[in-house]
Amino acid sequence: EAGVVQSPRYKIIEKKQPVAFWCNPISGHNTLYWYRQNLGQGPELLIRYENEEAVDDSQLPKDRFSAERLKGVDSTLKIQPAELGDSAVYLCASSLVGSTSGANVLTFGAGSRLTVL
Amino acid sequence: GQNIDQPTEMTATEGAIVQINCTYQTSGFNGLFWYQQHAGEAPTFLSYNVLDGLEEKGRFSSFLSRSKGYSYLLLKELQMKDSASYLCAVRDGNYQLIWGAGTKLIIKP
Repeated sequence: EAGVVQSPRYKIIEKKQPVAFWCNPISGHNTLYWYRQNLGQGPELLIRYENEEAVDDSQLPKDRFSAERLKGVDSTLKIQPAELGDSAVYLCASSLVGSTSGANVLTFGAGSRLTVL
Repeated sequence: GQNIDQPTEMTATEGAIVQINCTYQTSGFNGLFWYQQHAGEAPTFLSYNVLDGLEEKGRFSSFLSRSKGYSYLLLKELQMKDSASYLCAVRDGNYQLIWGAGTKLIIKP
């Protein structure tokens, strides 16, 4: 079984340019998360989807970040325009059930490392 | 506010035992997770504790004391491949995951 697939793995852009990241979760996982992780820190939740619905986007900087999850499967995260402080690893994760059920273990993708120059 | 504390870095010797502590202060509690993250890779699930006590999984064990807001991850018979960051995460009363900054474990021969 394929895990969570993300692309691109690496992206280098100049500030003020747009960038997009794509995530394909594990088949059957209805919950999808986008996290941002800076070096030496834990993941920071940006947005969580239950199927197509964004149920928690309180930490998403909506002036420049946007996300969508069409048909409740794949998701894209976009930054426009990018700023120097956006340099980080963007992790996508998925889980089988909603957050109130059992362990609800998250499976992470390998991440997309963004460098903004 | 909600907070999770872990040591920033620890060093241990191959073949030895190491204990990584995690203390937390959250609004409610619905489980504690440990994840392992090798440099440049995704976090991978190690353990889940929701009741007090010790959970053992091979060379790794995780302990929880809810009254003390405390957990530890115990790694036995350390191998070089155990060099990684270990992330503690707590699911709070609103079922939100709160993540610690991680503990970088360095294994020396």
